[in-house]
Amino acid sequence: EAQVTQNPRYLITVTGKKLTVTCSQNMNHEYMSWYRQDPGLGLRQIYYSMNVEVTDKGDVPEGYKVSRKEKRNFPLILESPSPNQTSLYFCASSLTGTNEQFFGPGTRLTVL
Amino acid sequence: GEDVEQSLFLSVREGDSSVINCTYTDSSSTYLYWYKQEPGAGLQLLTYIFSNMDMKQDQRLTVLLNKKDKHLSLRIADTQTGDSAIYFCAERNTGFQKLVFGTGTRLLVSP
Repeated sequence: EAQVTQNPRYLITVTGKKLTVTCSQNMNHEYMSWYRQDPGLGLRQIYYSMNVEVTDKGDVPEGYKVSRKEKRNFPLILESPSPNQTSLYFCASSLTGTNEQFFGPGTRLTVL
Repeated sequence: GEDVEQSLFLSVREGDSSVINCTYTDSSSTYLYWYKQEPGAGLQLLTYIFSNMDMKQDQRLTVLLNKKDKHLSLRIADTQTGDSAIYFCAERNTGFQKLVFGTGTRLLVSP
């Protein structure tokens, strides 16, 4: 089944404790992206990747890192999480940046 | 910069039509999308329209685009309780890789 998977689905952590949210797609898509969803703000793009080893900042990249060492994986790294990063995070992928984006099920992160 | 706005909430009765509205500011938008988000799930693409079109119909869904007013709407005919969800409109320019999303409209369908 073609899909985008994210892990974990739910995470509660404390300020400053490094964490990684994984994202994987099995559709051989070149383009992958991370969004955060906050009430009243819709989805805002954090980082995106056009292909392996090619990443770029979105609208709200502060406090996040990403890497794209393999085509299928695009992990989101929070080196020192803070409470303002409490949010619902979505990974998405598409064949290229101009095609339909397929979304993962989301990761709800709470930073205490 | 780009800005996409939607009303936050819409409530309808089962069997009625629902109309969800969206306005955008970027006149160079070339693709406009409607996504549906069910509780606990990711976003699912419902339909999209190119900026050179005025209307697109797909079964119970009708998308209307008014380029002059930069207004996009999604009409759901014969709305069902299973249509209850959050609906996001999004826009993208040719050559740009990111989607700009609206705030989302929560549709509640009551029996």
